[in-house]
Amino acid sequence: EADIYQTPRYLVIGTGKKITLECSQTMGHDKMYWYQQDPGMELHLIHYSYGVNSTEKGDLSSESTVSRIRTEHFPLTLESARPSHTSQYLCASTRNTGELFFGEGSRLTVL
Amino acid sequence: KNQVEQSPQSLIILEGKNCTLQCNYTVSPFSNLRWYKQDTGRGPVSLTIMTFSENTKSNGRYTATLDADTKQSSLHITASQLSDSASYICVVSDRGSTLGRLYFGRGTQLTVWP
Repeated sequence: EADIYQTPRYLVIGTGKKITLECSQTMGHDKMYWYQQDPGMELHLIHYSYGVNSTEKGDLSSESTVSRIRTEHFPLTLESARPSHTSQYLCASTRNTGELFFGEGSRLTVL
Repeated sequence: KNQVEQSPQSLIILEGKNCTLQCNYTVSPFSNLRWYKQDTGRGPVSLTIMTFSENTKSNGRYTATLDADTKQSSLHITASQLSDSASYICVVSDRGSTLGRLYFGRGTQLTVWP
């Protein structure tokens, strides 16, 4: 079982609120990722990090931001949530094998 | 354009039956192909990895095949169980970077009925 944790699992908030989705892993992986997944659709990469103080935007444009101050921690922040941000957000990490270890996901609903 | 196409989109089978899921890709260059299983409300979990030189790989009741010439892979599930109900995602990696860029299929939603 993968040692990567996401909180909260479910979040319902109002438009305009600031939210932070937490992601932590205890496997010592350098590479971490945030994906967005809508029902019936493929995962889209929104942010990634190859190590501390290294963050890059992914393929899918996102208004969210990330930080990587510690190896094990990769939080995602939305400064002002909108209904269009409603989705499932999956955090993942890997060493160099290419196998991604995913967290359980954070399902965000913005009213 | 690099793409990963999976079929069928959804599948319903009876418990104990076998099934085969398909994955066609146009990703080039090609490094490897993974099948992930994603239970409802959970994150995906890797089932198998196929590299260029591998044709078949088994993981319990799951058997993956790869034809690198036709750029097709299949995932065969034998003697299905209720716990096999999940989305099965095909992910292809290219050789463009240290890790390789990943291309995700939309998944096949499998439902196993008792």
